[in-house]
Amino acid sequence: EAGVTQSPTHLIKTRGQQATLRCSPISGHTSVYWYQQALGLGLQFLLWYDEGEERNRGNFPPRFSGRQFPNYSSELNVNALELEDSALYLCASSLHRGSGTQYFGPGTRLLVL
Amino acid sequence: KNEVEQSPQNLTAQEGEFITINCSYSVGISALHWLQQHPGGGIVSLFMLSSGKKKHGRLIATINIQEKHSSLHITASHPRDSAVYICAVWPGGSEKLVFGKGMKLTVNP
Repeated sequence: EAGVTQSPTHLIKTRGQQATLRCSPISGHTSVYWYQQALGLGLQFLLWYDEGEERNRGNFPPRFSGRQFPNYSSELNVNALELEDSALYLCASSLHRGSGTQYFGPGTRLLVL
Repeated sequence: KNEVEQSPQNLTAQEGEFITINCSYSVGISALHWLQQHPGGGIVSLFMLSSGKKKHGRLIATINIQEKHSSLHITASHPRDSAVYICAVWPGGSEKLVFGKGMKLTVNP
């Protein structure tokens, strides 16, 4: 069974541009979570999608947004990129909403120049 | 003060040593996760606990709900155990994980 996949693996953008990151959950998983791990900082919760709806978001500005498609894959969009958006962005999926085990993807490394 | 504190922040051990990684949290939780992150960035979920103890291979995780504390033990450590170990809690009534800052473990041969 395939795990959580993310694309691209690396992304280089310049300030002010937009970035789009993609995530495909494990088959059958309906919940998708996005996390940011900036250099030297711990993981921070960004967004949670379940059954196509945004269920919760962390303390990030509105220029961080996303969506979940009918096949439960998800997209994270970051508009008006800033240097401090450079980070590893991790996606995770789970079978059940709530405190179930989350399975993580390999991440997308975003570098903003 | 962070809701989730891990100690130590860094640990260097020799191959074969018994290792304990601690996690304390300050809120009521419905579950606690132990995660392993290798240098490439990939994260693996090791355990999810809400009570008691779980064992998988050389790894043992325990949790004391009353004391708001969990430990991850590694027996007969090996260089391939070198990674960052992250504790994360699911606060009761919340719908998002709260992470500790992680503990970097280096096991030397």
